Amino acid sequence: AQSVTQLGSHVSVSEGALVLLRCNYSSSVPPYLFWYVQYPNQGLQLLLKYTSAATLVKGINGFEAEFKKSETSFHLTKPSAHMSDAAEYFCAVSAPTTAAGNKLTFGGGTRVLVKP
Amino acid sequence: DGGITQSPKYLFRKEGQNVTLSCEQNLNHDAMYWYRQDPGQGLRLIYYSQIVNDFQKGDIAEGYSVSREKKESFPLTVTSAQKNPTAFYLCASRRGFGQGASNEQYFGPGTRLTVT
Repeated sequence: AQSVTQLGSHVSVSEGALVLLRCNYSSSVPPYLFWYVQYPNQGLQLLLKYTSAATLVKGINGFEAEFKKSETSFHLTKPSAHMSDAAEYFCAVSAPTTAAGNKLTFGGGTRVLVKP
Repeated sequence: DGGITQSPKYLFRKEGQNVTLSCEQNLNHDAMYWYRQDPGQGLRLIYYSQIVNDFQKGDIAEGYSVSREKKESFPLTVTSAQKNPTAFYLCASRRGFGQGASNEQYFGPGTRLTVT
């Protein structure tokens, strides 16, 4: 079984500052990992994914994440926050198999506030 | 454009009434999912379907029912047995492994259900 922990339910950053959102996972097999973004009253949009290729993954909107097996982490970063980055971000994990419906297990989410 | 549609965006019902939420996709995806989202609780899986005419319960299936008669459609019925039906409901789909999938799910815009 997999699980995901996102540290910090709310993060406040200044416009232009580094955005760092933390995600730690637990998995009995090498996982697939995902970051999604959700704007108010909308669905989730895939930011990036790790599927056992390069450990540093670049996504949309200037975000990137690094898979660190030794730390069981997949933290999301963006060098310079923009007002449009204000949203809720979800980390998710799945096993890289066809078993159990290929379900995603989501973290609780981190809401990002960007201050001007 | 390919995508997932959910209708309506907002839905209001009286307590004791069943209500059906629509989810349609034209992505030719094999698998479809229903999630419930409550403030501060992330996403919880209600039901999922990997192929037509087959579906499985997720983590919180009680009080819900689904059908998968067509590949494109996966409607969710919230029954009067669901004790706290007011929530934001999200539908998602995923390519089958024969289609080169890596487990990422694509989400619809969601339906906000309010039951009074």
